[in-house]
Amino acid sequence: EPEVTQTPSHQVTQMGQEVILRCVPISNHLYFYWYRQILGQKVEFLVSFYNNEISEKSEIFDDQFSVERPDGSNFTLKIRSTKLEDSAMYFCARNGPTQNTEAFFGQGTRLTVV
Amino acid sequence: AQKVTQAQTEISVVEKEDVTLDCVYETRDTTYYLFWYKQPPSGELVFLIRRNSFDEQNEISGRYSWNFQKSTSSFNFTITASQVVDSAVYFCALSEAGNTDKLIFGTGTRLQVFP
Repeated sequence: EPEVTQTPSHQVTQMGQEVILRCVPISNHLYFYWYRQILGQKVEFLVSFYNNEISEKSEIFDDQFSVERPDGSNFTLKIRSTKLEDSAMYFCARNGPTQNTEAFFGQGTRLTVV
Repeated sequence: AQKVTQAQTEISVVEKEDVTLDCVYETRDTTYYLFWYKQPPSGELVFLIRRNSFDEQNEISGRYSWNFQKSTSSFNFTITASQVVDSAVYFCALSEAGNTDKLIFGTGTRLQVFP
């Protein structure tokens, strides 16, 4: 099975800037997810994306976050105005091709907001 | 509500010792899935196992084994004859069927295996 590939592996941004994290490429998968892991803490669900729309989001996923598949393959997470507390590892994941299969994670993007 | 508890925050063992990582879960669903992931120092999440709620058979894969007991809502993970390369953070996770398959993670157990 092809793995999930995330870019960049590490991004440093200034507070208030917009960042876009990418999963590249993904095809023939059912559900896509973004998770967040603040350093030293547990992995937290942010959002799930099915059939080109959000199927569920957590309370963490507020208005500053958005997800999309702009070209049918790349899956992106955008943070509009980053805050210091957004510093974390962000994981993209997919499962499929059928429901209720194991979720495979990308290698993560470490976001550092300064 | 879904919840996963990993009470052991950190375990240290010497190589070749056996070690068991505990996981207790809460769910109202009768159909659910349990997972273990390994997070080595490099940071990626490595899938280890997935079990569904209807299959309580214990599973063994090499030095790894898992004990699923619905009566105690536990899904414990044992590493036999631990090795230094087993040093990592191990996460137990739960997903409920029909709930977008999102994973609810425990807080993780950091395992350190010393030579």
